[in-house]
Amino acid sequence: VQLLESGGGLVQPGGSLRLSCAASGLTFRSYAMSWVRQAPGKGLEWVSGISDSGGTTYYADSVRGRFTISRDNSKNTLYLQMNSLRAEDTALYYCVKDRKVYQTWGQGTLVTVSS
Amino acid sequence: EIVMTQSPATLSVSPGERATLSCRASQSVGSNLAWYQQKPGQAPRLLIYGASTRATGLPARFSGSGSGTDFILTISSLQSEDFAVYYCQQYDNWPPGTFGQGTKLEIK
Repeated sequence: VQLLESGGGLVQPGGSLRLSCAASGLTFRSYAMSWVRQAPGKGLEWVSGISDSGGTTYYADSVRGRFTISRDNSKNTLYLQMNSLRAEDTALYYCVKDRKVYQTWGQGTLVTVSS
Repeated sequence: EIVMTQSPATLSVSPGERATLSCRASQSVGSNLAWYQQKPGQAPRLLIYGASTRATGLPARFSGSGSGTDFILTISSLQSEDFAVYYCQQYDNWPPGTFGQGTKLEIK
């Protein structure tokens, strides 16, 4: 199983980014997926989750209304659309398999929000 | 939101010795508790779930115990590759699945 994130980068406060996570080696459509982030030198924070079909989504209070999780099961890809970015959103964003217990992690993509 | 508190923040142990890491939940999470290991520059790795079930391929020197609010991760005989940061995570009251702040296990 492999999860490969992309789309991170440097963005100004108030800006937007779209993260992608390409999954391989698993029946992607059968699994819920999540995003977990880690600010530099800090601990882990669950950000968002999505059901296997994409019909149900979940968000941390810190990102609700600004971030949107989605998936394309035909492309085995998970997304995180991030709008109205803030300095406190600066972190390494991990794509993880499953909803609650995270057995498989990507290598992460770094998002830096700074002017 | 359930708050997870890990202790100590840093634990210094010699190779070959036993390490005991603690995690406490602000309210009961039953057995819905996982442990992760993170080495510098790497993604976290799942070690334990269901408070005491080892992930596939995890050496038997790692064991988890506890239920309710108090949990322990024990590494019975530390190997050099075990020195890392360890996080606990509750997934009973989800979302969100909250993590502890981590315990850094360092070589004494």
